[in-house]
Amino acid sequence: KAGVTQTPRYLIKTRGQQVTLSCSPISGHRSVSWYQQTPGQGLQFLFEYFSETQRNKGNFPGRFSGRQFSNSRSEMNVSTLELGDSALYLCASSTDGPSSTDTQYFGPGTRLTVL
Amino acid sequence: GDSVTQMEGPVTLSEEAFLTINCTYTATGYPSLFWYVQYPGEGLQLLLKATKADDKGSNKGFEATYRKETTSFHLEKGSVQVSDSAVYFCALSEGSGYSTLTFGKGTMLLVSP
Repeated sequence: KAGVTQTPRYLIKTRGQQVTLSCSPISGHRSVSWYQQTPGQGLQFLFEYFSETQRNKGNFPGRFSGRQFSNSRSEMNVSTLELGDSALYLCASSTDGPSSTDTQYFGPGTRLTVL
Repeated sequence: GDSVTQMEGPVTLSEEAFLTINCTYTATGYPSLFWYVQYPGEGLQLLLKATKADDKGSNKGFEATYRKETTSFHLEKGSVQVSDSAVYFCALSEGSGYSTLTFGKGTMLLVSP
């Protein structure tokens, strides 16, 4: 079974631009979660989608948004990029959602650099 | 809120040495506990997990026991290899319904030949 795939793997943008990242979950998984990883803050939860609905959201500004399609693929968008948005963005999928019994499987991430 | 505290790295060991990476947590309910590993340039991989007190998770020679009385989930391996060099993350997920993963800051392990 194919794992979680993320595209693109690397992105370079300038301040003020916007960016869209894509995540394809493991086949059959309906939950997709997004995380931001930076050296200073570590791994921080952005949001989680299940069956095209956002079920949970982390403490990030409204510039960060996402959506999920009927095939469970998900995108996240960051508008008006800031230097501090430079990070590794990780996507994780699971069958029903992050919980005590449902394991999340992570993709390789998208490395975003904002200049 | 929930939180996970890991020992700061890097942890530097020689091959075949014994490894311990400490992890303690704070949670309001009865969380499940996880160890994830991140190799250079890659995403996170689940290493092991434990879903209730006194459970022991194990995989690839790594072990961790869920200690509710000390709110700890320390990672151990009896004999590390150079290929174990990576960043290790302790994480928790609250036990009721669905919830997000809360991660520790990560501990880098460097194993030399």
